[in-house]
Amino acid sequence: AQTVTQSQPEMSVQEAETVTLSCTYDTSESDYYLFWYKQPPSRQMILVIRQEAYKQQNATENRFSVNFQKAAKSFSLKISDSQLGDAAMYFCAYRSLTGTYKYIFGTGTRLKVLA
Amino acid sequence: KAGVTQTPRYLIKTRGQQVTLSCSPISGHRSVSWYQQTPGQGLQFLFEYFSETQRNKGNFPGRFSGRQFSNSRSEMNVSTLELGDSALYLCASSSGILPQETQYFGPGTRLLVL
Repeated sequence: AQTVTQSQPEMSVQEAETVTLSCTYDTSESDYYLFWYKQPPSRQMILVIRQEAYKQQNATENRFSVNFQKAAKSFSLKISDSQLGDAAMYFCAYRSLTGTYKYIFGTGTRLKVLA
Repeated sequence: KAGVTQTPRYLIKTRGQQVTLSCSPISGHRSVSWYQQTPGQGLQFLFEYFSETQRNKGNFPGRFSGRQFSNSRSEMNVSTLELGDSALYLCASSSGILPQETQYFGPGTRLLVL
């Protein structure tokens, strides 16, 4: 069975600095998708970025980028030029491409942005 | 386009009771997934419905059940509530066709079991 691990329950970053959130996963599958979702306080969860496992190139969305290391089964999220609005819970998620496309989420990392 | 809506937003129940939560997906979306979110466990997948059929199921006891109607609206039912069922219940909708597609989440229903 697949698992997703986020080992950092909480992280802090100074405004305008860069922070990296860690995510590791375990799977025997060769093809899958990985996602980072953001859940701001009392607001709805939204997609930040996604990565296809068959693509070697790391995904980038504005200030958000990932470091995808397939062999190490690692999928970290880098937030550059951190802003106060980046404060949120961040969830790493894995989606299988075999069977029924089930999602598996990590336990989340709470990111605090310090002014 | 209206987003995913969930009702009610807050619920207080006592042990042994049952509860029904509702989720209306984005118009045109045929897939609705349900998740339980607790501080220690993160998001745990309950089940997914696609075109009125359960397509996926997580590892939850049979007290947790769901259904989807022809208009794609979905309900989740929890019977014989336990204290440990206190959580934020999220639903998410998507077209249900492409694995890389975005899930759109609702605001959640916060359930407190006393």
